Amino acid sequence: KQEVTQIPAALSVPEGENLVLNCSFTDSAIYNLQWFRQDPGKGLTSLLLIQSSQREQTSGRLNASLDKSSGRSTLYIAASQPGDSATYLCAVLVGGKLIFGQGTELSVKP
Amino acid sequence: EAGVTQFPSHSVIEKGQTVTLRCDPISGHDNLYWYRRVMGKEIKFLLHFVKESKQDESGMPNNRFLAERTGGTYSTLKVQPAELEDSGVYFCASSQKFRTSAVHEQFFGPGTRLTVL
Repeated sequence: KQEVTQIPAALSVPEGENLVLNCSFTDSAIYNLQWFRQDPGKGLTSLLLIQSSQREQTSGRLNASLDKSSGRSTLYIAASQPGDSATYLCAVLVGGKLIFGQGTELSVKP
Repeated sequence: EAGVTQFPSHSVIEKGQTVTLRCDPISGHDNLYWYRRVMGKEIKFLLHFVKESKQDESGMPNNRFLAERTGGTYSTLKVQPAELEDSGVYFCASSQKFRTSAVHEQFFGPGTRLTVL
């Protein structure tokens, strides 16, 4: 049974810091991995999608890596800003459905 | 292009009542998914439609939940009768048909927050 874990559950950093969010999954048989952002009371915004054959994807200040063999993904956020404050979720696609971690709640202090 | 829309945004009902949630996927997306997040837990899959057919309903918690997608466009999720543990946020997502896109990216709606009192 696929399980997704995100560490840490919460993170508070000062503005300008670079940070890394971690995601691990128990079964390497995934089709892809998506990182999402969720603002309070809002829906999920897709940030990055890495296909199982890829190692990383980049969008602006965000970089996501995938190591399928070890069951790990990281989301790197460069030069963090208060507007980055949100919950970040990773999810793996297995058999057509997404399996989510519990998320990392990020707070960036000005 | 309009994104995934859901209605209502919030619903407060009493235990034993019926509630129907609606999802309109992105136009042209054959795949439609329902997920939910109950308090303190991760988002969990409920079911997957391909056009009007249920492809996978393994996540549906019990027979109080009924999902439909008549005509392969919008979908409804009915809870009847609602119980306290049904409270949570219900998300809908859609994606292109698998032959069109190898990426299989799912796009989510804003969710419906359901509170059962």
